[in-house]
Amino acid sequence: NAGVTQTPKFQVLKTGQSMTLQCAQDMNHEYMSWYRQDPGMGLRLIHYSVGAGITDQGEVPNGYNVSRSTTEDFPLRLLSAAPSQTSVYFCASSERGIPNTEAFFGQGTRLTVV
Amino acid sequence: KQEVTQIPAALSVPEGENLVLNCSFTDSAIYNLQWFRQDPGKGLTSLLLIQSSQREQTSGRLNASLDKSSGRSTLYIAASQPGDSATYLCAVMEYGNKLVFGAGTILRVKS
Repeated sequence: NAGVTQTPKFQVLKTGQSMTLQCAQDMNHEYMSWYRQDPGMGLRLIHYSVGAGITDQGEVPNGYNVSRSTTEDFPLRLLSAAPSQTSVYFCASSERGIPNTEAFFGQGTRLTVV
Repeated sequence: KQEVTQIPAALSVPEGENLVLNCSFTDSAIYNLQWFRQDPGKGLTSLLLIQSSQREQTSGRLNASLDKSSGRSTLYIAASQPGDSATYLCAVMEYGNKLVFGAGTILRVKS
């Protein structure tokens, strides 16, 4: 049972490059979300989705795009990487329709933009 | 806007001590509250989930309480061990299953 899988685990980008962080879950969860974690801070919400075809912005959406074409996958796209996007990125999923539900997290992607 | 605060920011205790980590939040309209553990360079491990209708949850040496009306939660760790050393994160879940996190408490248990 894989849970939430993120790829890659590590990535170094040059300023201006684009890339996609992958997130997949095998628990049939309808809710998925992306967070970033910076040193000394908790996680902050970038984008989230409440089901296939539905996405919305979180607290820090600028510079990131998402799409949700299937229940299983929720990729995060960096359009033109900037050093300020150096961070650790976490993907999470949870069940829909049950408000008291546990969030499951992937192992994270450590991104460095030089 | 929901804000989550964790106190203290860092804590160093000798092995065997009982300790309390604090979490406060500003908006009581939450679905639940989760406590996570994070080891350096690693992902998040869920420790305890307290539903909005519950007052506390227990797992082994861990006990978490929730007072939604006052916007407070505590994580109690009994008989601390060096293996408990980690960062502990508190997060509240809002509408849309969105989590709002505190900045965490860095715990060091000395042997």
